[in-house]
Amino acid sequence: NAGVTQTPKFQVLKTGQSMTLQCAQDMNHNSMYWYRQDPGMGLRLIYYSASEGTTDKGEVPNGYNVSRLNKREFSLRLESAAPSQTSVYFCASSTGTALGYTFGSGTRLTVV
Amino acid sequence: GQQVMQIPQYQHVQEGEDFTTYCNSSTTLSNIQWYKQRPGGHPVFLIQLVKSGEVKKQKRLTFQFGEAKKNSSLHITATQTTDVGTYFCAGGDYKLSFGAGTTVTVRA
Repeated sequence: NAGVTQTPKFQVLKTGQSMTLQCAQDMNHNSMYWYRQDPGMGLRLIYYSASEGTTDKGEVPNGYNVSRLNKREFSLRLESAAPSQTSVYFCASSTGTALGYTFGSGTRLTVV
Repeated sequence: GQQVMQIPQYQHVQEGEDFTTYCNSSTTLSNIQWYKQRPGGHPVFLIQLVKSGEVKKQKRLTFQFGEAKKNSSLHITATQTTDVGTYFCAGGDYKLSFGAGTTVTVRA
């Protein structure tokens, strides 16, 4: 099925552990994004990649790194997880022409 | 930076009634988009508004962009249980800023 695929769907980490969230899209979109969603705060942009080979910080980048591996894949890495990073993480992609984002199904991350 | 605010945060609606949710920006927007997220799901794109004063309809949903392009509204008529979820507005060019959303519950 065409769309945005995120893995894993659920993850529990201990404080200080590291992990990488994977995201891949098969719609030939240029732009990809990572958002986190916390209750009452909507979606906040962590990092984005306007095109292959470029990445930029969003609103809440501290504690995260990203890699735009190729046009299809955009990964998000937590180097040393903290309880404040407990959240639902969504990857999204777009053509870059503001015609709507396509979101993945999300990763529910708990840091204990 | 750009901020997008939505009101109300929660909307409890009797089935069959109408309601409106509002979105306001601190800056002029080039466009505004609306998304719907069902409980436990992911945001799904509904519509984009670009022109000042633009009005678009999708069945029972009516979307409007303000004349000054700093506010928008979503009006739902004859609410159904399928309308349950959180509605987000978002503004921006190549990176969207999302409002906190309006969470809608429906009483049958």
